[in-house]
Amino acid sequence: DTAVSQTPKYLVTQMGNDKSIKCEQNLGHDTMYWYKQDSKKFLKIMFSYNNKELIINETVPNRFSPKSPDKAHLNLHINSLELGDSAVYFCASSDTSGSSYEQYFGPGTRLTVT
Amino acid sequence: QKEVEQDPGPLSVPEGAIVSLNCTYSNSAFQYFMWYRQYSRKGPELLMYTYSSGNKEDGRFTAQVDKSSKYISLFIRDSQPSDSATYLCAIALGGSYIPTFGRGTSLIVHP
Repeated sequence: DTAVSQTPKYLVTQMGNDKSIKCEQNLGHDTMYWYKQDSKKFLKIMFSYNNKELIINETVPNRFSPKSPDKAHLNLHINSLELGDSAVYFCASSDTSGSSYEQYFGPGTRLTVT
Repeated sequence: QKEVEQDPGPLSVPEGAIVSLNCTYSNSAFQYFMWYRQYSRKGPELLMYTYSSGNKEDGRFTAQVDKSSKYISLFIRDSQPSDSATYLCAIALGGSYIPTFGRGTSLIVHP
């Protein structure tokens, strides 16, 4: 069973389009995250979300918005895609109610904006 | 100065070598220390996790934390070609569940 899954695995789209990436975790964790990994491999937090709080990295453009239909899902919606949005996006989850700092990552979505 | 510094490598070693991977950090308030392994085109996976100074061992892997020097290390004994991956350190403040990641060190173990 895949603990954290993401779809799609690859996404190629044109500038100006709107796209969504889906994430699901079956670990029963209470907190989910979105990270962006650029070409230099830096892994940067974009959002952290649980049922109480959304924490947004202030450097993230407001074209990016997380949407959580329930505790097991955190989708990422991106409006008006730009070339600089090309990167690998990772979803992750953790059990913060159990005071755990361990994060479990999905396989990533490779986004290419042309 | 970045909060977490990590040499990107690549670090190339022969099979069987002892590997030392390192990170330095600037914020002495950091309390939780993790190492993740990331294979090419895969998500990071947690290898080691510790919150205290000293050593923690798990099989061929040893994580070492020196809070006084703000320096953490991951040692891999008897390295194998399957250890070839990028290793990312991640450090978190107490009470914050969002770690700061190093940029990762690329390790290549050749047969």
